[in-house]
Amino acid sequence: DQQVKQNSPSLSVQEGRISILNCDYTNSMFDYFLWYKKYPAEGPTFLISISSIKDKNEDGRFTVFLNKSAKHLSLHIVPSQPGDSAVYFCAAIGSSNTGKLIFGQGTTLQVKP
Amino acid sequence: EPEVTQTPSHQVTQMGQEVILRCVPISNHLYFYWYRQILGQKVEFLVSFYNNEISEKSEIFDDQFSVERPDGSNFTLKIRSTKLEDSAMYFCASSLEAGGFQPYEQYFGPGTRLTVT
Repeated sequence: DQQVKQNSPSLSVQEGRISILNCDYTNSMFDYFLWYKKYPAEGPTFLISISSIKDKNEDGRFTVFLNKSAKHLSLHIVPSQPGDSAVYFCAAIGSSNTGKLIFGQGTTLQVKP
Repeated sequence: EPEVTQTPSHQVTQMGQEVILRCVPISNHLYFYWYRQILGQKVEFLVSFYNNEISEKSEIFDDQFSVERPDGSNFTLKIRSTKLEDSAMYFCASSLEAGGFQPYEQYFGPGTRLTVT
């Protein structure tokens, strides 16, 4: 049951350029979305989130855009840095309000110096 | 900065044995979770816990699994009789809220790698 999908398993970007990571979802009842970054052998680290009542949220180099009609969100990283190289997961809060996160499969971002 | 901690970092056990994975959530958080990630797969929700009871559990969380908050700081996941397919990274997480439209962040621990042989 793939309610949250990240269709690109990997992305390679040059340092200083923009990284755009995409995520699609199928459940219109999701009301909160989060992006996590994960390094090997570590737990997911919270990056940025967005409520479904907004269409954009910005935090430093990170911006998340939400298009509810398309059931699509994206994470923009500008400028990309080599330290941003990691696996990025998008996650959605289920409609039950128990805090259950439903994750996408992840996108591996490589930022080349 | 407060963080979620987990012990042990790596646990090796034989099939059929019981294991207990331990977590110390962030101290003022009210909601607690366990997730797992089998190698090469997505992070999967196992269970959420609030006010000393399970608020939601997934299909994976069958009778072999149990959770407990034995005191004011620890949160444990017990697997009664481990199977080979329980081998995975297990992540504990905690949050102040459980969703909705208010700002919400769920913080994860570094994980316990469970290897069942």
